[in-house]
Amino acid sequence: GQNIDQPTEMTATEGAIVQINCTYQTSGFNGLFWYQQHAGEAPTFLSYNVLDGLEEKGRFSSFLSRSKGYSYLLLKELQMKDSASYLCAVRDDDYKLSFGAGTTVTVRA
Amino acid sequence: IAGITQAPTSQILAAGRRMTLRCTQDMRHNAMYWYRQDLGLGLRLIHYSNTAGTTGKGEVPDGYSVSRANTDDFPLTLASAVPSQTSVYFCASSPQDSGANVLTFGAGSRLTVL
Repeated sequence: GQNIDQPTEMTATEGAIVQINCTYQTSGFNGLFWYQQHAGEAPTFLSYNVLDGLEEKGRFSSFLSRSKGYSYLLLKELQMKDSASYLCAVRDDDYKLSFGAGTTVTVRA
Repeated sequence: IAGITQAPTSQILAAGRRMTLRCTQDMRHNAMYWYRQDLGLGLRLIHYSNTAGTTGKGEVPDGYSVSRANTDDFPLTLASAVPSQTSVYFCASSPQDSGANVLTFGAGSRLTVL
């Protein structure tokens, strides 16, 4: 089975940095994904890690430690449009994706 | 514009009725998926198909059925809807090749069962 944990909510100020942690215990591992989902919309892909280390894409970075079953998504220079839910997802050996419940980030002016 | 089309966008349904949610993709992706999203529970996999002609059960398959007659279409059927199936349903697809295999999601279908 899959067990993926992430905080329910986080609040930060515009221009600040926020780090969303994700821990997982899964039967098989074939990559970790982060998705962004604005209210009432579909999830959209943000980042993918399959090897340990940091992946940077503009203001967003994602880190993975497979031995610790741990990942984080780092959002820098927060903007109001970054207010959304951020979903951590783990892919198993059968290429199926299991999602955490999501972290709702609220950016305040 | 390439992507995934889901229909209907929203539906209110009486308990006991049969309902089919439609999903069509034009990206020639091999794999397709159906998820339901409920508050506090996140996205849960209902059924999936790794290639046309094959299907598999996900985490919450009971009360749902799927078919994959061709590459593009992956309908989800509720044979006899119950109120606990009230949810937002997302269809998704991925290439299922040697790359990252990122899932692309449809816009969702909001279903209310009364």
